[in-house]
Amino acid sequence: GAVVSQHPSWVICKSGTSVKIECRSLDFQATTMFWYRQFPKQSLMLMATSNEGSKATYEQGVEKDKFLINHASLTLSTLTVTSAHPEDSSFYICSARPGRSTEAFFGQGTRLTVV
Amino acid sequence: AQSVAQPEDQVNVAEGNPLTVKCTYSVSGNPYLFWYVQYPNRGLQFLLKYITGDNLVKGSYGFEAEFNKSQTSFHLKKPSALVSDSALYFCAVRADASGGSYIPTFGRGTSLIVHP
Repeated sequence: GAVVSQHPSWVICKSGTSVKIECRSLDFQATTMFWYRQFPKQSLMLMATSNEGSKATYEQGVEKDKFLINHASLTLSTLTVTSAHPEDSSFYICSARPGRSTEAFFGQGTRLTVV
Repeated sequence: AQSVAQPEDQVNVAEGNPLTVKCTYSVSGNPYLFWYVQYPNRGLQFLLKYITGDNLVKGSYGFEAEFNKSQTSFHLKKPSALVSDSALYFCAVRADASGGSYIPTFGRGTSLIVHP
């Protein structure tokens, strides 16, 4: 089956620094990738949708200058949390959809802790 | 707008007993429906989906789900629960190409606890 690899699995950073999270589709080309944020015991909140080679579409309320998304190739999308603050601490999950597939496949998630 | 409701925050069941995790949906056009499972500090794993065809869909790990158009439901079921099934389960819906959003909407999740 399709595999999506997310790296790192967990990261601790100091307040004010930036953190980059990578999402790779290992055995398929992902024309669309999604970035989600999940709070404890809550559902996934869609942050943005990215299509290869174009600017990401952010959901309402998500700061595009704080959460930078780059989808430079059909197998890689990155989320950079800039000037991180403790309130950015969360579980971030990416998913990727192959071509015209009806389903998306998820990475294992990244636990971000900002201290 | 499309939406998903998982009315139970938590479902408790004894090992060996049948389990049901409920899901109802609202979407414009024909629905594509999905179930995912999430273990602690992990991403979501795909269990099964309904696109078209038989209303009873069989998926991974012995799970199945029944699509009921009149009740707009897609409940997840398993005949005999295992302790290892304990996890967080998410139902998701998206519209088909005829209308609505192709981006899936997720329910709030249901925590399944299977007791030995």
